[in-house]
Amino acid sequence: DVKVTQSSRYLVKRTGEKVFLECVQDMDHENMFWYRQDPGLGLRLIYFSYDVKMKEKGDIPEGYSVSREKKERFSLILESASTNQTSMYLCASSLVGVHSGNTIYFGEGSWLTVV
Amino acid sequence: AQSVTQLDSQVPVFEEAPVELRCNYSSSVSVYLFWYVQYPNQGLQLLLKYLSGSTLVKGINGFEAEFNKSQTSFHLRKPSVHISDTAEYFCAVRSQIQGAQKLVFGQGTRLTINP
Repeated sequence: DVKVTQSSRYLVKRTGEKVFLECVQDMDHENMFWYRQDPGLGLRLIYFSYDVKMKEKGDIPEGYSVSREKKERFSLILESASTNQTSMYLCASSLVGVHSGNTIYFGEGSWLTVV
Repeated sequence: AQSVTQLDSQVPVFEEAPVELRCNYSSSVSVYLFWYVQYPNQGLQLLLKYLSGSTLVKGINGFEAEFNKSQTSFHLRKPSVHISDTAEYFCAVRSQIQGAQKLVFGQGTRLTINP
């Protein structure tokens, strides 16, 4: 089975802190994603990566950056955390395939509270 | 850009009753549609997907969905629900950006099963 592992399930950080959310997948997937989930808004894409060292902005990239130094690892970085970044963060991965319907697999999520 | 609308934010039903969760998508030439389920405190799990072929798609846990091109809908149904089906359900459409497949999600429907 595909496994997407998010290193921290629950974090509490102070305003202004630098926050790292780590994600690792074990299926050699090319694509990796970071989504943010908020009540009533569903999931919104922050950033995605389709190859090592490649990254593309999603729908809500402001206040975030990402790093993909290795194929299996995709990190989300909050340079200076703010209270409006309190949310559930979901990492996901999938195989590349322009005309396929490859399933996107999700991690269990990281609950971040910024105080 | 592709978009998805889930018409109900909450759906309460009694155990063993049938349920339908509604989803409409923005029209496109080629549409890949998905339903994901999120149980409490967990990540998202794929229920079913429509890529092509038969418009009636069967998924896990007794769920099925019907792709209706003329009405741009992809409603999820189950003939008899169980307490264990209590979860949040997300409809999603695939969108293609620079070789990476991203999912655009609806706002989610919270299904509550009452005994």
